[in-house]
Amino acid sequence: RKEVEQDPGPFNVPEGATVAFNCTYSNSASQSFFWYRQDCRKEPKLLMSVYSSGNEDGRFTAQLNRASQYISLLIRDSKLSDSATYLCAVLSGGGADGLTFGKGTHLIIQP
Amino acid sequence: DVKVTQSSRYLVKRTGEKVFLECVQDMDHENMFWYRQDPGLGLRLIYFSYDVKMKEKGDIPEGYSVSREKKERFSLILESTSTNQTSMYLCASRPTGGFDEQYFGPGTRLTVT
Repeated sequence: RKEVEQDPGPFNVPEGATVAFNCTYSNSASQSFFWYRQDCRKEPKLLMSVYSSGNEDGRFTAQLNRASQYISLLIRDSKLSDSATYLCAVLSGGGADGLTFGKGTHLIIQP
Repeated sequence: DVKVTQSSRYLVKRTGEKVFLECVQDMDHENMFWYRQDPGLGLRLIYFSYDVKMKEKGDIPEGYSVSREKKERFSLILESTSTNQTSMYLCASRPTGGFDEQYFGPGTRLTVT
């Protein structure tokens, strides 16, 4: 099974700052990419899908760089409620074998 | 709204006991998955199923088995629990398709003493 790697952090960021994470993947045939958010003792929930053209949802921007095999997540004007673990996920197979997840990046927004 | 439910949120078992963890999804998804999540190790795939009665081993199947008798239900079985199976167990489901997300259940925190 191919690797998906993330910096575990923690990233300690002041409220209102901009923060960015990267996630690298090793399988060049990977098809779909996602960012999930996981709060403490809760299940992961989809934050956003990552399309080839990139996508933006409010303060969040996700981008894909196929040439360098990484995806990124940018959070602008960070809020205390953004504190969580962010997992990147990659679909490499035909869909039936599920997503491969990174171990997550822990983000702490400080007041 | 997609719903993935798991039979228990918390379980405490003694070493050697048998455990059934049940997962039910209500969106007619073909694919279902069992993961365990441990600090520092992330989500690790135990087993998955892409159809009724079909099952495939994931990355860490040892000590586990699964059953999928109906499309909506995927069970994880620990025949004889050991302390190293203390973990958070997460079920997920996903339709077959390139851009569809995976939906997770709320998780079962299993403690084996």
